[in-house]
Amino acid sequence: NFLLTQPRSVSASPGKTVTISCTRSSGSIASSYVHWYQHRPGSAPTTLIYHDDQRPSGVPDRFSGSIDSSSNSASLTISGLKTEDEADYYCHSYDITLVFGGGTKLTVL
Amino acid sequence: QLQLQESGPGLVKPSETLSLNCSVSGDSINRANYFWGWIRQSPGKGLEWIGCISYRGNTYYKPSLIGRVTISADTSKTQFSLKLSSVTPADTGVYYCARQVLEFYNYMDVWGKGTTVTVTS
Repeated sequence: NFLLTQPRSVSASPGKTVTISCTRSSGSIASSYVHWYQHRPGSAPTTLIYHDDQRPSGVPDRFSGSIDSSSNSASLTISGLKTEDEADYYCHSYDITLVFGGGTKLTVL
Repeated sequence: QLQLQESGPGLVKPSETLSLNCSVSGDSINRANYFWGWIRQSPGKGLEWIGCISYRGNTYYKPSLIGRVTISADTSKTQFSLKLSSVTPADTGVYYCARQVLEFYNYMDVWGKGTTVTVTS
């Protein structure tokens, strides 16, 4: 199976934009949908993006997803950062089985 | 509104079986096109999908856990369950139940708050 590699941590200031990458180790990133979750410690994870770039109802349009075949990666972009965005973020895709990325800790300074 | 709630023992001894339930309110686990899954997070690590059961009762498991894991559903009680046998301290973590959409490998749209399980003698 494949791995999804995310940066361990990213940081940015309130109001700025941050992008979290999710790189697939083998196989095409475009061959399977990528989904993104936000996980605040002590709380249930929530779905931010599904099917590469779709937002569930209730998720602000500050959150967006995309895929880039040239880098074989997916990205989650958060614009207009707020302190409440500080959390862990996970990507998810699949091949033979379901795979999560290792997670990225976002710090909003 | 759909809500999921995990329950079960917080402590399990090594070599024993971990058993958890997920109570579903606000929906039926028989509803077509939904799957009901278990995901865990070990201390200091990321999320790990364990497996799920479909609205038809078909089960799907992470390959490395096959042989130790069983997921079942009780539609009359609107709950589904996880059993993980021969546990070791590596099975310690927070266990989440979640609803998955359309396919066993597809995204989770609703999650429970999680329950902590510690494997210790």
